[in-house]
Amino acid sequence: DGGITQSPKYLFRKEGQNVTLSCEQNLNHDAMYWYRQDPGQGLRLIYYSQIVNDFQKGDIAEGYSVSREKKESFPLTVTSAQKNPTAFYLCASRLDRGINSPLHFGNGTRRTVT
Amino acid sequence: AQTVTQSQPEMSVQEAETVTLSCTYDTSENNYYLFWYKQPPSRQMILVIRQEAYKQQNATENRFSVNFQKAAKSFSLKISDSQLGDTAMYFCAFIPGTSGSRLTFGEGTQLTVNP
Repeated sequence: DGGITQSPKYLFRKEGQNVTLSCEQNLNHDAMYWYRQDPGQGLRLIYYSQIVNDFQKGDIAEGYSVSREKKESFPLTVTSAQKNPTAFYLCASRLDRGINSPLHFGNGTRRTVT
Repeated sequence: AQTVTQSQPEMSVQEAETVTLSCTYDTSENNYYLFWYKQPPSRQMILVIRQEAYKQQNATENRFSVNFQKAAKSFSLKISDSQLGDTAMYFCAFIPGTSGSRLTFGEGTQLTVNP
C-alpha cells in the first residue's frame, strides 16, 4: 500500500543533542512538508519542498534543517537551537500538479526533551 | 498572506444530532481550494472533505457537507447524525490556486460527541 512512513514514533533526547526525523513516501508525490503541532494548537509549517534538491522555509524554520536528495525522502533535523521541549511532528506530501490534491500525512513523531 | 480562522476552540454535540463547525479565511486570490481535516485521538490526520472555489455547489461526503459562501469567505462543516467516532480535532485548510503553494491551517476545533 502507498503511504507516508515517519520514524521514530517517539523520540526522547537530552537538551543539546541534534536529532533527525525520517519521512519516506512511496506515493510518487512531488511536494513534501514538515509541520509542528504544539499541545492544543494547530499545525505550523516548518519547511517544505516542491522538487528534489530544493526547499523553502516555512513559518517556524529556526532551529531546524532539511534536505531533499531523493523524491521519496524528506528528513528533518531538529538542532540543539530548537528550544521547544515537546512537540508533535507531522510529515506530509501531495501531488503538486493540481491544487485540488490534498495533503497525505504520516502518523507523526512525538519529541520530548529530557 | 492567507489566514484561516476557526473561532470555536471547542464544541460538543449529542450522538445522532447535527453540528456545524465554522471557518473563515482571508485571501485576495480568486482560485483556491478548501479542505477539512479530522485528527482523532490517534493523531492521524484524515481528509474529510474538499471544496473548489470556482464550484458553486457545496461538497458532500456521506454525513459531512460544507456551506461554502465565497463572498463572505466562509467555509463551514456540517456533520449530520453525529457518531461517537466523530470525536476529534477538526482543522480547516486553504491553498491558493498557483502551483507550488502551501496549505494554511486554522487553529482547530475540538469536537466531542456525547452518548
